[in-house]
Amino acid sequence: DAGITQSPRHKVTETGTPVTLRCHQTENHRYMYWYRQDPGHGLRLIHYSYGVKDTDKGEVSDGYSVSRSKTEDFLLTLESATSSQTSVYFCAISQGDGTYNSPLHFGNGTRLTVT
Amino acid sequence: KNQVEQSPQSLIILEGKNCTLQCNYTVSPFSNLRWYKQDTGRGPVSLTIMTFSENTKSNGRYTATLDADTKQSSLHITASQLSDSASYICVVSAQAGTALIFGKGTTLSVSS
Repeated sequence: DAGITQSPRHKVTETGTPVTLRCHQTENHRYMYWYRQDPGHGLRLIHYSYGVKDTDKGEVSDGYSVSRSKTEDFLLTLESATSSQTSVYFCAISQGDGTYNSPLHFGNGTRLTVT
Repeated sequence: KNQVEQSPQSLIILEGKNCTLQCNYTVSPFSNLRWYKQDTGRGPVSLTIMTFSENTKSNGRYTATLDADTKQSSLHITASQLSDSASYICVVSAQAGTALIFGKGTTLSVSS
């Protein structure tokens, strides 16, 4: 698992509540990513980080925010959860320089259900 | 529009048989193509990564091919095992600094 831990692994929450997912790495890599995976879609990038306090949006960032106060932790927050955010969320790290020439290593995901 | 299309969507084969999964892409300019294996309930795991100049790369019983002229790739699995049952995802990267484009995956079921 390349030293990536996602927590929680499963969560059920109600519409309108804030939710924070955590990704922790032990590899000290600079680049970290949050993806979501839904049936009928490929993995889609939500946000990514290229260093402490350095983050940027992906293709499906609306309704999500991120923070990275330490190299090893990357947090994804759903500010006010909606049913459309029911998904499996994957964190990934890259050993490379952000040019996507190195493989991504993924965590085992967080299954989030918004009721 | 950058797209990655995989076929078939799903496949069932008998243990010990070979199979080939297909990936067609329209990503341009092309940087590299990867194949990932995703077991149920787990994150994707990298199998191979190929750049423009590479047309074959192997990882054990997995062999990926790339034809950059026709923008096609295949993943060949030899002597399949029950543990090969998974989703196989093709991912294409455009040139440096842009996002990865993920296919929707092919679900392979190997039965005994």
